[in-house]
Amino acid sequence: DQQVKQNSPSLSVQEGRISILNCDYTNSMFDYFLWYKKYPAEGPTFLISISSIKDKNEDGRFTVFLNKSAKHLSLHIVPSQPGDSAVYFCAASDRDDKIIFGKGTRLHILP
Amino acid sequence: DTGVSQDPRHKITKRGQNVTFRCDPISEHNRLYWYRQTLGQGPEFLTYFQNEAQLEKSRLLSDRFSAERPKGSFSTLEIQRTEQGDSAMYLCASTSTTGGLETQYFGPGTRLLVL
Repeated sequence: DQQVKQNSPSLSVQEGRISILNCDYTNSMFDYFLWYKKYPAEGPTFLISISSIKDKNEDGRFTVFLNKSAKHLSLHIVPSQPGDSAVYFCAASDRDDKIIFGKGTRLHILP
Repeated sequence: DTGVSQDPRHKITKRGQNVTFRCDPISEHNRLYWYRQTLGQGPEFLTYFQNEAQLEKSRLLSDRFSAERPKGSFSTLEIQRTEQGDSAMYLCASTSTTGGLETQYFGPGTRLLVL
């Protein structure tokens, strides 16, 4: 059973436009959510996170939105840049020592 | 400290052979995690250590898998009698108990191919 779902395996976005990556979760006990970015031949790197007590967190070009009632979160990247092409993993946790990852969405930024 | 390192980066083996992977965490990190990532999937938790104690093991970790962290520093993951289904990227990550989840740093992974 997939507790963290990323239903779009891939997404293509024009450079300079907004990229929106979506994530749904099933476990209502999750209280912390994270996004990771992964380039080929490298491990995932932390990008941005949000606590369940917030509905928005912003860091530069990256903003994460959380809709608890819908059990949905999204990552917005504005403006999208070529270096943003990577696989993005949504992850969630209900404890301080374990993370559950989604399957990932491959983002292609088109020139 | 250059981060989490893993060795080897790639391993090709024949079915039935044993393989061992090593992970060197960031030096001040007392928690060390092993994950497995197969094609089209995200990292799946296998096990984790706090210092030298193995605190949790996933049901994914069959009896053929064993992990150790003898002195609370580096860790090894051994797979005995490898099967083709073991082919995957094995990721190691480390963090400290005082850090948040976002301080979990990943190594580059060991890609295993079982023929």
